[in-house]
Parts: sequence; C-alpha cells; structure tokens
Amino acid sequence: QSALTQPPSASGSPGQSVTISCTGTSSDVGGYNYVSWYQQYPGKAPKVMIYEVSKRPSGVPDRFSGSKSGNTASLTVSGLQAEDEADYYCSSYAGTNNYVFGTGTKVTVL
Amino acid sequence: QVQLQESGPGLVKPSQTLSLTCTVSGGSISSSNYYWSWIRQPAGKGLEWIGRIYTSGSTNYNPSLKSRVTISVDTSKNQFSLKLSSVTAADTAVYYCATIVPAALSFDPWGQGTLVTVSS
Repeated sequence: QSALTQPPSASGSPGQSVTISCTGTSSDVGGYNYVSWYQQYPGKAPKVMIYEVSKRPSGVPDRFSGSKSGNTASLTVSGLQAEDEADYYCSSYAGTNNYVFGTGTKVTVL
Repeated sequence: QVQLQESGPGLVKPSQTLSLTCTVSGGSISSSNYYWSWIRQPAGKGLEWIGRIYTSGSTNYNPSLKSRVTISVDTSKNQFSLKLSSVTAADTAVYYCATIVPAALSFDPWGQGTLVTVSS
C-alpha cells in the first residue's frame, strides 16, 4: 500500500484560509468515508481534528472542516491563527483491515 | 476517555527484536469497544500504521511489516504489546500506541510516543 499524497507545505496569513489535499485511490480514500485528519506539533503526538471525512470531535474549532471528492479528501482551515501552524496528516481506511496515512503537510502561518 | 502510555527499551541492536508495551488507564481494555493500534514515525518523516488488535485477540497487520510484527494483549495488566523482529536502522522511529474507534475508524487518543533507536 502506498502513502496518500499530500503537498509538502501550505501557508497563509492570519485570518486567511488554507486547504490541504490528500489524494489516494479507489481502494482507500475513494472507497470509504473513513478519512481522518491529524494535527501534530513538533515533538508531540498527533491529535484528531476531523474523522469520517467531515466530522469534528468535541473541542475542535469549527474553523476546521473536511470534505471529499472522488479519490481526494481535503482539510480546510479557515480564519488561520498562529496556533494552527503544525504538521497535518490525513489517514484513510484502506479495506481488508488496513489503514494508510498521508505524506504530511507543514502549515505555516505567515 | 482512556489514556495511553508507551514503555520499553530506547535502544535495540540490529537483528534483535523490538518490544514495546502500551499501558491503558482510565478504562478497562477488555470492556472497551476499541481496537488497540501501533503506529510509528521516523524522524522528520510521516506516520506508518503497524497493526491493531481487538480485545478478543484478533489482529491485523500492515502487509509491509506483517512477517516481522506481533501484537498481543494482556487484559489482566490492561496492556497491549508490540514485537518487531529482525530490526534494522530503518526501524528507528517514534512508536505510538493509539485506540481506533470502530464506528469512525479514526485514531483517538494517542500515547505520547517513545523513541526507539536501532544501533549497535
């Protein structure tokens, strides 16, 4: 199984929006609505921000939203804040009790 | 919500077996409707799913690691464990344990992670 493809970096000014893509195949992203997104600060464990494509766990700001079209999922962070600067990873169920992560995107707040 | 904590040797010699344990607190591993999973992350690189176990003992592994991985559960200690055999420098990484919520198939929560270095 290959890692899902994400852009290495994305950036935006405070208050702007940034969207990160996560491209897979019909065997993972396109085949299931089990895409999740994780935020990771340096030296820390990842934290789930979105699950089942577009659902937000309790406590995650509504500035974070997720969507999916075909084999590509997306995470949008609206109203960027300095605290949003982190690495973001997508993950998808890949069938046959398998999971795959994305390559990761570093978000910079300019 | 449960909390997870990884433990084990931070240094393993090449060709030997890496062994880690994840201790679950705040809930019983045997009564929780979760999968229990291991994930790793080499320095400066992305996340890689290693495998998962259900409290029944049923396991699933990443096909790329399957021949070297064993995940087990000890309900009496509220722990689950990872063994990775025949390690090389490529297995040097931060290893995380995490729960998988069956309904959502997302990883939440995670342990803090533990660095394992493979070196002679």
